[in-house]
Amino acid sequence: ETGVTQSPTHLIKTRGQQVTLRCSSQSGHNTVSWYQQALGQGPQFIFQYYREEENGRGNFPPRFSGLQFPNYSSELNVNALELDDSALYLCASAQGSREATQYFGPGTRLTVL
Amino acid sequence: AQTVTQSQPEMSVQEAETVTLSCTYDTSENNYYLFWYKQPPSRQMILVIRQEAYKQQNATENRFSVNFQKAAKSFSLKISDSQLGDTAMYFCAFIGAGGTSYGKLTFGQGTILTVHP
Repeated sequence: ETGVTQSPTHLIKTRGQQVTLRCSSQSGHNTVSWYQQALGQGPQFIFQYYREEENGRGNFPPRFSGLQFPNYSSELNVNALELDDSALYLCASAQGSREATQYFGPGTRLTVL
Repeated sequence: AQTVTQSQPEMSVQEAETVTLSCTYDTSENNYYLFWYKQPPSRQMILVIRQEAYKQQNATENRFSVNFQKAAKSFSLKISDSQLGDTAMYFCAFIGAGGTSYGKLTFGQGTILTVHP
């Protein structure tokens, strides 16, 4: 176990709704990255948060947004859900924005109907 | 942009035998890190091994070792004495040590490894 936790485990939403996913980083880690993993594929980087600010973003539209809190936990928000947003959402924490090694949580499985 | 390619969608091995998973990557960066992650059906992504590009010595972690060929941009994973618990999807991943790629792991497509009793 990595010490990174995510909630909820599973989530079912309908197209057009909004969703919030949560992540608690490993103790001592101040950087959180979010990834989207479609079924049978490798994870795709969404964005990274360091000290409560977005520190890098992948090729995802603005309806994917995030927050990081003073305790370094993080939220991923997705607005106007589309069917293609159905995926496993992984968060990963690291000990600093320049630390290469990231430790992953168990993921949240989002299904959009 | 960086790319990571895993050309073996599926591999299988008998328990106690050795298996090698392949990975190639493309980057213009000189400083970077490479990883192998394991994702069992339980879906938790687990770090298996890490290699710093500036180190010529291949990384080893117990039964897991890598063959890092920087010039060829190749990074294979060898699993010795395979165990049933090694059954999982294995991902090769790259991260740059500077520039715009820092903080962003780029993953390959994955290799499903099945260990047979």
